[in-house]
Amino acid sequence: EVHLVQSGAEVKKPGESLKISCKGSGYNFSIYWIGWVRQMPGKGLEWMGIIYPGDSETRYSPSFQGQVTISADKSINTAYLQWGSLKASDTALYYCVRPIDCTSSSCHDYWGQGTLVTVSS
Amino acid sequence: EVVLTQSPGTQSLSPGERATLSCRASQSVGSSYLAWYQQKPGQAPRLVIYGASSRATGIPDRFSGSGSGTDFTLTISRLEPEDFAVYYCQLYGTLPHTFGQGTKLEIK
Repeated sequence: EVHLVQSGAEVKKPGESLKISCKGSGYNFSIYWIGWVRQMPGKGLEWMGIIYPGDSETRYSPSFQGQVTISADKSINTAYLQWGSLKASDTALYYCVRPIDCTSSSCHDYWGQGTLVTVSS
Repeated sequence: EVVLTQSPGTQSLSPGERATLSCRASQSVGSSYLAWYQQKPGQAPRLVIYGASSRATGIPDRFSGSGSGTDFTLTISRLEPEDFAVYYCQLYGTLPHTFGQGTKLEIK
């Protein structure tokens, strides 16, 4: 069974760095894209970017390009989302997601449980 | 980049009524890669519809999706109490996997 398990909640100060993780299990991690989605408090879903763990090809939404870094370590089936200098506006719930993928009979996607990041002085 | 615009922002209905949610794309996107998600408070989004009209595993048949090109619709034929949630449309075929801003379906 496919699972995505994210790292725990974080409380940080503005200017600090942070790297959160998403560990996949139950499938060949290297051959499926993993994306990240932001949900600010009381707001909608925002697609941030995506990575192909097999070769680390990465694409970003224009809104998030240069603001975050997405990476992956296929040897430990883990994807990462990191910030070099957090801002209060980075306070949000962050989901990793394996996007919709179809077999001959059906399509599925898989979501992590979310990681709450709070940035406050 | 394609922009998805959902309407209405909030829809107030009673259980048993029919809900019709709209998602409009800023340019034609075909029909193969449009999805609808349901999100309840404190939960990750749940896939409801993929390929514009195919129900995801475990989704009851009161949910249906339609549309192509720029206009897509999610219909819930008879609302059950558990259907009241926020619904998002999403493009997933090409990058970026844009989301609409969401429609909140609330109990009247």
